[in-house]
Amino acid sequence: AQSVAQPEDQVNVAEGNPLTVKCTYSVSGNPYLFWYVQYPNRGLQFLLKYITGDNLVKGSYGFEAEFNKSQTSFHLKKPSALVSDSALYFCAVRVVPNTGGFKTIFGAGTRLFVKA
Amino acid sequence: EAQVTQNPRYLITVTGKKLTVTCSQNMNHEYMSWYRQDPGLGLRQIYYSMNVEVTDKGDVPEGYKVSRKEKRNFPLILESPSPNQTSLYFCASWTSGYTDTQYFGPGTRLTVL
Repeated sequence: AQSVAQPEDQVNVAEGNPLTVKCTYSVSGNPYLFWYVQYPNRGLQFLLKYITGDNLVKGSYGFEAEFNKSQTSFHLKKPSALVSDSALYFCAVRVVPNTGGFKTIFGAGTRLFVKA
Repeated sequence: EAQVTQNPRYLITVTGKKLTVTCSQNMNHEYMSWYRQDPGLGLRQIYYSMNVEVTDKGDVPEGYKVSRKEKRNFPLILESPSPNQTSLYFCASWTSGYTDTQYFGPGTRLTVL
């Protein structure tokens, strides 16, 4: 079955330290991978995506993600965390069902707390 | 301003009373989708639409209906709501293709008593 896993419900990091939010996936065919962020009482906002090409993808607000095909991972990273980065982060993969069309599968989400 | 709007933002209703949550986008996007968000489960796709009059089921379509009569609108209909449909609902839209980014509405928090 095609799936996305975010193994950590919560990540705690001190401001100024690097952060990593983990994501692994299981899909058939080429994966199209996305990271979204959700702030309280808001909808999801796009951060970055991997389609093809360079394994290191740079996105909004200083975030980047590394695609690793052999480990089927797409971890989100930031060199220096800010308190304002505290939010709920979702990894997602776009898949193509056998019935045609396509759909997006989201992970369960990881809550990031950045402490001042 | 490019946006996806949803109404209402908050709704408390009772079991069995039909309701509709509206979704509208002003970006001329072909694709639209409805998700529900539940703690520990992330977002699960309910229905999506690839264009006017073209819809398909997502992962959790039971108890929901949709229609796409106009490109900009994609209402979600609960004919007979039940308490297990209490959730946070998001509408999203995007242009086309497998690689495009989705734009999300602000969410509708639904409580079914």
